[in-house]
Amino acid sequence: GAGVSQSPRYKVAKRGQDVALRCDPISGHVSLFWYQQALGQGPEFLTYFQNEAQLDKSGLPSDRFFAERPEGSVSTLKIQRTQQEDSAVYLCASSSDREWNQPQHFGDGTRLSIL
Amino acid sequence: AQSVTQPDIHITVSEGASLELRCNYSYGATPYLFWYVQSPGQGLQLLLKYFSGDTLVQGIKGFEAEFKRSQSSFNLRKPSVHWSDAAEYFCAVGAQGNTGKLIFGQGTTLQVKP
Repeated sequence: GAGVSQSPRYKVAKRGQDVALRCDPISGHVSLFWYQQALGQGPEFLTYFQNEAQLDKSGLPSDRFFAERPEGSVSTLKIQRTQQEDSAVYLCASSSDREWNQPQHFGDGTRLSIL
Repeated sequence: AQSVTQPDIHITVSEGASLELRCNYSYGATPYLFWYVQSPGQGLQLLLKYFSGDTLVQGIKGFEAEFKRSQSSFNLRKPSVHWSDAAEYFCAVGAQGNTGKLIFGQGTTLQVKP
């Protein structure tokens, strides 16, 4: 497809389980971002990749959150030992460059619910 | 610290009426400013952006925004709202360091009355 693809669209997990969220960026896009959007809030930055290098992970809320992009294309956001406060929509965005004149294209997100 | 404030959580306008959504930012230097729209269950779509130059920027779907440095504002406007404009609107500022990281406001929900 032409856009950013995220899977699954919905994920329900029990507290304490590990989850993995996938992002397929637009082909050729070197920059990839993960954001967390709590209910009724704006997205909050989690982490940023330039190709396979994770250049900024300052937004990851705890060491239970881990992201990777091993081949510089698909990225996975993993959350270990999930907690109820992890319930949110996780958005992925990609850009052809990190320069501001290149817009970020967002996927439809993964809605994560922790029971 | 950088921040974005959208003072209006919820706005209702009649179809055909004009619209203005407010956005105030906190940033030391010249900001990179953006407006995004999000429909239910969808990702964010870029409406317009301001980097420099002309302070009135035109975007998609008939939207425009005006950068006012003296007021630290970047308000979004549309002369005549359509029912399909009902959505969540987010203002964002590009974080320092040119990493592409965006800092978003809380969002404004727009409801359009027939």
